[in-house]
Amino acid sequence: SQKIEQNSEALNIQEGKTATLTCNYTNYSPAYLQWYRQDPGRGPVFLLLIRENEKEKRKERLKVTFDTTLKQSLFHITASQPADSATYLCALVSGSGNTGKLIFGQGTTLQVKP
Amino acid sequence: NAGVTQTPKFQVLKTGQSMTLQCAQDMNHNSMYWYRQDPGMGLRLIYYSASEGTTDKGEVPNGYNVSRLNKREFSLRLESAAPSQTSVYFCASSDFGRSDTQYFGPGTRLTVL
Repeated sequence: SQKIEQNSEALNIQEGKTATLTCNYTNYSPAYLQWYRQDPGRGPVFLLLIRENEKEKRKERLKVTFDTTLKQSLFHITASQPADSATYLCALVSGSGNTGKLIFGQGTTLQVKP
Repeated sequence: NAGVTQTPKFQVLKTGQSMTLQCAQDMNHNSMYWYRQDPGMGLRLIYYSASEGTTDKGEVPNGYNVSRLNKREFSLRLESAAPSQTSVYFCASSDFGRSDTQYFGPGTRLTVL
């Protein structure tokens, strides 16, 4: 069955450093992948979408890569700030992709210390 | 423009009680989704509605029913609540076909005793 894995251990980094989060998937060839941010007690908020024919995508201090050979996406936050502390979820389109259904990873919690 | 709204924010039920979680979106989206989120499990899809008038099961539909009342509203009903349904429930919507981004509501925290 389709499976998505994110590092369940929290990632703790110092302010100003680059945070790198990993999303691995198996039994799957998604047309695109999305990253969401979730703050405690709130719903997820969309950050970035990257398609299978895109190797890399950037938005301000955020960068996402998508390696369909390794079946992996990396999510980078450069010059991290305490305000970046949150849980980050990756999501892949489910099945044939004609319904908009997404499968979510369990999320990785990032803690940026000042 | 409120986006996706959910009511109630919190609810405590006793085993066997029923309730309906309400969700509405004002973005004219065609697709709507109900998820539950449990610690360590991530978001799991309960039901979805690809368009007004259609609903389909997701990954964990047992114990739930849904109604797509109109394009704006998508409700989730628990007919006979069980402790295993203690969770945080999120509704989401998307303009699938034009954009694959999902917009989430603030969630309902449900406890079943």
